[in-house]
Amino acid sequence: ILNVEQSPQSLHVQEGDSTNFTCSFPSSNFYALHWYRWETAKSPEALFVMTLNGDEKKKGRISATLNTKEGYSYLYIKGSQPEDSATYLCASGSGGYNKLIFGAGTRLAVHP
Amino acid sequence: DVKVTQSSRYLVKRTGEKVFLECVQDMDHENMFWYRQDPGLGLRLIYFSYDVKMKEKGDIPEGYSVSREKKERFSLILESASTNQTSMYLCASRTGTSGRARGVTGELFFGEGSRLTVL
Repeated sequence: ILNVEQSPQSLHVQEGDSTNFTCSFPSSNFYALHWYRWETAKSPEALFVMTLNGDEKKKGRISATLNTKEGYSYLYIKGSQPEDSATYLCASGSGGYNKLIFGAGTRLAVHP
Repeated sequence: DVKVTQSSRYLVKRTGEKVFLECVQDMDHENMFWYRQDPGLGLRLIYFSYDVKMKEKGDIPEGYSVSREKKERFSLILESASTNQTSMYLCASRTGTSGRARGVTGELFFGEGSRLTVL
């Protein structure tokens, strides 16, 4: 099984700070990179699905970039708010047909 | 509001019991998935189904079976629960992509999870 690595494992920031975290994935047989946000006691929800090298996507204060040649994606949060506190999961479509390989997640806590 | 509903949020079972975890989606999705999530690990795929009565093994199918008799419902079965199956189980669904890009470009819609404890 190919690995998807996320760093850091956890992160504590103050309200208003901007932050970013990394997802590393196998660059061979790449088809798609997914980001999900998983708040405690809720369902994971999709943030972005990216497929092309150089893709940049944005949703409000959250944005993501993709580099398929070197196998990494960054997720940025600008001006973090307490409601951004969640675990952020990335998943790579390198695992075979209809299979995503998930990283272990980055747990973000935003303190008021 | 689209929804994936898992039947139980919390279950406590004894070793050797048969356990059913049910998942229902209302989006008419072809694909449904069962994952488990353990501390420090990414979501791991147990089984998935791309059509009624069709199933495919994921990465960790041992000790599990599945059933998909209707398009909207995908059940995970633990024939004889063991303590190492204590975990958070997540169901997800996704629309069909007809083979495009190996079926991984569509976003997953998840349920809220079922936390199973096997004593």
